[in-house]
Amino acid sequence: EVQLLESGEGLVQPGGSLRLSCAASGFSFSSYAMSWVRQAPGKGLEWVSGISGSDYSTKYADSVKGRFTISRDNPKNTLFLQMNSLRAEDTAIYYCARHSGDTIYYGTDYWGQGTLVTVSS
Amino acid sequence: AIQMTQSPSSLSASVGDRVTITCRASQGIRNDLGWYQQKPGKAPKVLIYSASSLQSGVPSRFSGSGSGTDFTLTISSLQPEDFATYYCLQDYDPPFTFGPGTKVDIK
Repeated sequence: EVQLLESGEGLVQPGGSLRLSCAASGFSFSSYAMSWVRQAPGKGLEWVSGISGSDYSTKYADSVKGRFTISRDNPKNTLFLQMNSLRAEDTAIYYCARHSGDTIYYGTDYWGQGTLVTVSS
Repeated sequence: AIQMTQSPSSLSASVGDRVTITCRASQGIRNDLGWYQQKPGKAPKVLIYSASSLQSGVPSRFSGSGSGTDFTLTISSLQPEDFATYYCLQDYDPPFTFGPGTKVDIK
């Protein structure tokens, strides 16, 4: 059974940093691209970043480029999102999602339950 | 970035109704579009990928169509569990972008 479990929830001050993790199980992690998607309170969905399965190529939303870094540890079946220079508008539930192939150009098929990031002083 | 629009933004329907939601891209995206269902407090669920392919386990009352810039999600006979918000997502050109959502509620 495919499972994605996000962690790293927290309250952080503006300008601060936070690292999210997504522990994957039930599939060959290195064979699949992964993405982070977020949802601000009461708002719609926003794709944040994606990373391919084997060559580690990455893409970002303009709103986070230069501040967030996506990475993965394939031997440990874990996806990460390092978030720096956080702003109030980064407050959201962050979901990790699996793409159905090695690149992010395949649609997603499994999603985690999300982890809440709150940026506030 | 490619802009995605959806219409309507909300609709009220009855059980058994046929429901159609449309999504439009600001430029051609071939058939690189997915449809997602989200219920309050839950993660999004994939319904359709590649514009018209039904995700495994999704009821056949859901269908998708379209290519290029105009896409449609149809629910052939609305069921009580289908009341939710629906989003389209273009995965043609990053940054990938979602539509603003269509909320389907009970009439």
